[in-house]
Amino acid sequence: AQSVTQLGSHVSVSEGALVLLRCNYSSSVPPYLFWYVQYPNQGLQLLLKYTSAATLVKGINGFEAEFKKSETSFHLTKPSAHMSDAAEYFCAVTLRFQGAQKLVFGQGTRLTINP
Amino acid sequence: EAQVTQNPRYLITVTGKKLTVTCSQNMNHEYMSWYRQDPGLGLRQIYYSMNVEVTDKGDVPEGYKVSRKEKRNFPLILESPSPNQTSLYFCASSSQGNIEQFFGPGTRLTVL
Repeated sequence: AQSVTQLGSHVSVSEGALVLLRCNYSSSVPPYLFWYVQYPNQGLQLLLKYTSAATLVKGINGFEAEFKKSETSFHLTKPSAHMSDAAEYFCAVTLRFQGAQKLVFGQGTRLTINP
Repeated sequence: EAQVTQNPRYLITVTGKKLTVTCSQNMNHEYMSWYRQDPGLGLRQIYYSMNVEVTDKGDVPEGYKVSRKEKRNFPLILESPSPNQTSLYFCASSSQGNIEQFFGPGTRLTVL
């Protein structure tokens, strides 16, 4: 079965600094990987997804993530943090033959931006 | 506007009092799912449905029921709620063959 581990339940960065949110996955077959963002009192919104095309995936709001098979990682980055990036971020994985119905989420990372 | 709606958004109830949380989508999606979100645990799948009259258990189905009589609706039923079902619940939908799920705004349930 697939699983996801997000390193760090809370990450705090200064405005303008690099954002790095870590995600490692476990899967016996090639996975699909996702990053979702949850703003306060809202549902989840898809930031980006990896589906076996380019290993560097660009998403919305300046975020990107790189799929590294050798490290089983899919870390999320943004070069310069903005106050509006404060939210909770979830990494998720599904197996290619299973599709959306077996999406497994990590425990989430709450990102705080300091002025 | 394409969306997934949930009602109610907030609910406080007492142990044992049956309740239903509704979920509706206007995108003609075949697939729908329910998740619960708890601090430190992320989102965990409760039940999912591949299409009308087709439902299956997710990872944490105990204490919950679902039905899919119409394509657009996927209600979550708690026959006898208990305090350990206090949580934030999300409904999601996607079209067949599309791995991206669209989430509703969430329902915060408190069981006293």
